[in-house]
Amino acid sequence: DMKVTQMPRYLIKRMGENVLLECGQDMSHETMYWYRQDPGLGLQLIYISYDVDSNSEGDIPKGYRVSRKKREHFSLILDSAKTNQTSVYFCASSLLGTSSNERLFFGHGTKLSVL
Amino acid sequence: GQQVQQSPASLVLQEGENAELQCNFSSTATRLQWFYQHPGGRLVSLFYNPSGTKHTGRLTSTTVTNERRSSLHISSSQTTDSGTYFCAIWTGGLSGKLTFGEGTQVTVIS
Repeated sequence: DMKVTQMPRYLIKRMGENVLLECGQDMSHETMYWYRQDPGLGLQLIYISYDVDSNSEGDIPKGYRVSRKKREHFSLILDSAKTNQTSVYFCASSLLGTSSNERLFFGHGTKLSVL
Repeated sequence: GQQVQQSPASLVLQEGENAELQCNFSSTATRLQWFYQHPGGRLVSLFYNPSGTKHTGRLTSTTVTNERRSSLHISSSQTTDSGTYFCAIWTGGLSGKLTFGEGTQVTVIS
């Protein structure tokens, strides 16, 4: 069963608190991604991970960090969350990030509200 | 500048009508993909279509790479087609990433 699982689905935090968003996949995919989605902006790439401890900044990495200690797990961390980080966060995975026939699998998303 | 531009931003269809969504992109080496986002938020891959025409069900994707455009045609629309459609291109060379357009929100009414 090919699946990307995100936890939690909904989260409310106060400004300044730390936030941990977790993502898991059961397909042994090498590459994993964190995107955020905001109205009118589509999906914006925060970080991409090519394998364990092989992470690369995306387009909007400021204010975020990631951790990938196992191939099947990719975490997004917000140290001292800000109100402008209120968004819906999507995790995705793919077998290889540069394959010519790459299909991304997405999780359901985590809706984060920072008050 | 914007690497992927989609139009229209939103669209309302009467059930049974056809629709064409447009995607224009800034690079000729695109490995373009179309995605569908359910109203509840879940994203699914529809097509990997770097060039030419592909079909699945009532959906047809046509990409003309040298003109830097792709279209997604929905025929005989149904209410279950409602959602947001994104096109995306791979950018950044070997260590690439998928760059999304802003999406077209489709609402099909019965």
